[in-house]
Amino acid sequence: ETGVTQTPRHLVMGMTNKKSLKCEQHLGHNAMYWYKQSAKKPLELMFVYNFKEQTENNSVPSRFSPECPNSSHLFLHLHTLQPEDSALYLCASSALAGSTDTQYFGPGTRLTVL
Amino acid sequence: TQLLEQSPQFLSIQEGENLTVYCNSSSVFSSLQWYRQEPGEGPVLLVTVVTGGEVKKLKRLTFQFGDARKDSSLHITAAQTGDTGLYLCAGRGYQKVTFGTGTKLQVIP
Repeated sequence: ETGVTQTPRHLVMGMTNKKSLKCEQHLGHNAMYWYKQSAKKPLELMFVYNFKEQTENNSVPSRFSPECPNSSHLFLHLHTLQPEDSALYLCASSALAGSTDTQYFGPGTRLTVL
Repeated sequence: TQLLEQSPQFLSIQEGENLTVYCNSSSVFSSLQWYRQEPGEGPVLLVTVVTGGEVKKLKRLTFQFGDARKDSSLHITAAQTGDTGLYLCAGRGYQKVTFGTGTKLQVIP
């Protein structure tokens, strides 16, 4: 498998559920990102990891908890979400964070919170 | 805070027509990228422009970076149904990428 993959592609969860989103990149990159894409709003950067270390957290609520066990895998753990958290969650990777390297995106997970 | 405004927000045109999408900011960027995102997929990079005034062509798509590196345009000649999607510009500054508000294009056969 090549590029950036994300699972699941679709997720419906209640506000009291706990779920996790998974991202895997097969590009040999060292930086990984989580973005939130809502209707009528620009892409919002949530978290940045560089060499497994979190380098950026853009004031994301604690109900979103990222995990990066290695440079190829990135998770987003979700718990007690709100309906306004429904969105497309995109993962991306690049050679290095904080550089001009191009980011390559996965297909996203469409999340619906009931 | 750097903002990138795209216009128009929505565009529905007939196949064969020409169109231009704009990406504007009050901030200067070191480079600017254009992505296309198809329904159910993530954004895919189309082009990167780096020099003020630079023009790049990708088949029927022409990209221009403003002289002051604050704005950019994307022109599509003879649009095809395969051009349908969300077009995003992204300005790259020092250790930061700012995405535009997006232009949703629909090309009708």
